[in-house]
Amino acid sequence: DAGVTQSPTHLIKTRGQHVTLRCSPISGHKSVSWYQQVLGQGPQFIFQYYEKEERGRGNFPDRFSARQFPNYSSELNVNALLLGDSALYLCASSLYYRRYTEAFFGQGTRLTVV
Amino acid sequence: GESVGLHLPTLSVQEGDNSIINCAYSNSASDYFIWYKQESGKGPQFIIDIRSNMDKRQGQRVTVLLNKTVKHLSLQIAATQPGDSAVYFCAETNGQNFVFGPGTRLSVLP
Repeated sequence: DAGVTQSPTHLIKTRGQHVTLRCSPISGHKSVSWYQQVLGQGPQFIFQYYEKEERGRGNFPDRFSARQFPNYSSELNVNALLLGDSALYLCASSLYYRRYTEAFFGQGTRLTVV
Repeated sequence: GESVGLHLPTLSVQEGDNSIINCAYSNSASDYFIWYKQESGKGPQFIIDIRSNMDKRQGQRVTVLLNKTVKHLSLQIAATQPGDSAVYFCAETNGQNFVFGPGTRLSVLP
């Protein structure tokens, strides 16, 4: 079975540009969450989607947006990129949006802003 | 003591010894906890979870202990192997998103 897949794996962008990151959850999983992981730190929550609706949002500026599609895949969009947006962006897949549900992570997209 | 940024707390153990990685969580309302292992260049990998109505849970070579009184979580790895070298994160949730700790780097010495 395929795990959580993210694309692209690496990306280099210039300040001020826009970026779209993609995630396909584990087959059958209906919830997708996005996390930002700065080098040397733990992942920080950005968004959670379940059944195409936003169910949670972390403390990130409005430059960050996301959506979930009918097939449960998801996109994370970041506008007006800043140097500080350089990080590993992780997608996590869960079967449901409920308590005690394990979250499984993809390998991440390494974004470098120059 | 705990460090931030690039200076993760590091635990060095001899191959074959047992490892204990500790985590202090922040939210007394958190009722579900997961330990993740993250190898260089990869996403976090699920190791073991525990609900707040338990104080101990065992997996294959791993045990998680939960002390709600002092908001402390630990991960014990038996007979540590070179493949266990990685950064380990605890994550807590109260039903919303997961909140991750700063991580501990485990280094297994030959």
